[in-house]
Amino acid sequence: EVQLVESGGGLVKPGSSLKLSCVASGFTFSSYGMHWIRQAPKKGLEWIALIYYDSSNKYYADSVKGRFTISRDNSKNTLYLEMNSLRSEDTAMYYCANSGADYWGQGVMVTVSS
Amino acid sequence: DVVMTQTPVSLSLAIGQPASISCKSSQSLLGTSGKTFLNWILQRPGQSPKRLIYQVSKLYSEVPDRFSGSGSETEFTLKISRVEAEDLGVYYCWQGTHFPLTFGSGTKLEIK
Repeated sequence: EVQLVESGGGLVKPGSSLKLSCVASGFTFSSYGMHWIRQAPKKGLEWIALIYYDSSNKYYADSVKGRFTISRDNSKNTLYLEMNSLRSEDTAMYYCANSGADYWGQGVMVTVSS
Repeated sequence: DVVMTQTPVSLSLAIGQPASISCKSSQSLLGTSGKTFLNWILQRPGQSPKRLIYQVSKLYSEVPDRFSGSGSETEFTLKISRVEAEDLGVYYCWQGTHFPLTFGSGTKLEIK
């Protein structure tokens, strides 16, 4: 059974940093690209980052470019999202998903507020 | 970016009624591979999204056959032949043909 389990969220102040993790199981993690997708409260879904299976390419939405960094450790079956200079508009549920976005984690909440 | 427009915004249907959701894209979703990466997901209340349909009309194995998808190029439809209680939630179309991935704004299905 495929499982994606996010962690690392919380309440932080504007300008702060946070690092999310997503542990994968049930599939060959090192063979698949991975996404981070977020959903602001009561809003729709926004893709924010993609990393290739071998970390050779990384892509970001304009809204997070230069502030967020996606990475992975295939030896640990883990995907990361390092978030710097957080803003109130980054408040959202953050989901990791596999390259086809056919499997999603349960999500982790990030709240940016003073 | 490709804009995905879903209608209606919401649906309120009784058990057993059919449902139809439209999704239109601002560009053709037919890729150079000849495949169309238009997909549907369902987000039930308080849950993360779950997969329903990929490449316009292919159901994932766990999805009941009362669901169907159709369409081409820029116009797509998700249909439920007979709504059941477990079908409530928000339905999103999303495209993976053009980078970046983009999602429709969602259609909320309520059960009367």
